[in-house]
Amino acid sequence: AQSVTQLDSQVPVFEEAPVELRCNYSSSVSVYLFWYVQYPNQGLQLLLKYLSGSTLVKGINGFEAEFNKSQTSFHLRKPSVHISDTAEYFCAVLPMNYGGSQGNLIFGKGTKLSVKP
Amino acid sequence: SAVISQKPSRDICQRGTSLTIQCQVDSQVTMMFWYRQQPGQSLTLIATANQGSEATYESGFVIDKFPISRPNLTFSTLTVSNMSPEDSSIYLCSVEAVGGNGYTFGSGTRLTVV
Repeated sequence: AQSVTQLDSQVPVFEEAPVELRCNYSSSVSVYLFWYVQYPNQGLQLLLKYLSGSTLVKGINGFEAEFNKSQTSFHLRKPSVHISDTAEYFCAVLPMNYGGSQGNLIFGKGTKLSVKP
Repeated sequence: SAVISQKPSRDICQRGTSLTIQCQVDSQVTMMFWYRQQPGQSLTLIATANQGSEATYESGFVIDKFPISRPNLTFSTLTVSNMSPEDSSIYLCSVEAVGGNGYTFGSGTRLTVV
């Protein structure tokens, strides 16, 4: 079974400050890793994903995340946030199924990023 | 990646009534997924809908409460039946991204039951 822990439910930051949203996961099989963003009153939008290769993944809107296998983490970072980054961010894992169906996304509980002027 | 049109975007419903949510995809997809996001919670998978077969429901969800239709490879509906205030949530549909290894989501339906 898989589980995803987002350590911070809310993160308030000032505009132009750096931010890190933490995500740790637990899984008995290898997984793909995702970050999704949900702007107020909207659905989910894929921010970035790690499938294989370089452990540093760059996504949209200046976000990046680093996969750390030994620490089972996939923290999301941005060096300078904007007010428009105010949203809820979800970390998710997808178990790699060999020869079977794709499996289901397992989501963390989300982190609400609030950027203040 | 696929584009999903989901409607309605929001609704306020009386308890005891039912609401049908529609998702239209701009390409043919094998599986469509329905999620629920309760207030302050993460997303929970309700069921997986394959065209031409019964939907597969996750633990805690039953067909009588959440009947699903999947008449073709581009369309699905989820009905929330006999609603109570506890059903107030955001409901989202999702499909596999092109090439696998991920999912695309609809914009969600924000349901309030009064």
